[in-house]
Amino acid sequence: SSELIQPPSVSVFPGQAARITCSGDALADRYAYWYQLKSGQAPVLVIYDDTERPSGIPVRFLGSNSGTKATLTINGARVEDEADYYCSSKDSSQNNKWLFGGGTKVTVL
Amino acid sequence: EVHLVESGGVVVQPGGSLRLSCAASGFAFEEHAMYWVRQAPGKGLEWVCLVSGDGGRAECADSVKTRFIVSKDNSKNSLYLEMNSLRPEDTALYFCARDASSSHYDYMDVWGKGTKVTVS
Repeated sequence: SSELIQPPSVSVFPGQAARITCSGDALADRYAYWYQLKSGQAPVLVIYDDTERPSGIPVRFLGSNSGTKATLTINGARVEDEADYYCSSKDSSQNNKWLFGGGTKVTVL
Repeated sequence: EVHLVESGGVVVQPGGSLRLSCAASGFAFEEHAMYWVRQAPGKGLEWVCLVSGDGGRAECADSVKTRFIVSKDNSKNSLYLEMNSLRPEDTALYFCARDASSSHYDYMDVWGKGTKVTVS
């Protein structure tokens, strides 16, 4: 199916690891991308090509992809990491069309 | 520094039309494909359209492909989204984004802050 599924919310205490999953058939043969959204700001790419971190993104952001599930892990979460996170990938059957997950609200308690 | 600034979002009646713009700076605009992505109130992100670097190829999501037209003017470093037959469900914050590659479709690496469209 052409959809990506994320949990609606994840809560962690400062310093703990936050793990956000993204499930979908497209991830079996497409890369996963992760974006951070904060209200009033431009979305920020935090992971590309499953595991790569763009320049300027802290090392505590880690990505993985195993089969049909991708995971974004924020090690040692900080208050400033509180945001909505979206996974994305190309549609596996329509190369130039894009899918987004429903988003996960990360709360750092 | 790469910079994208969207504009043109307003309140429009159902059935109306609107053109959004995205001004780009800080990179070779003609080399990069560009995207429109939207976020309806309280909802997630939805890919809307993409256009190739030279503006010659475009694709849009099924939900808008008979009503929206995406284009880019490389002489003005600008991306556009012409929206017709607007519906209440088109109400959203519309983002433009750059493709990371200068040679093929890759992924969205830099985004603007968005412009708000309300259909009511």
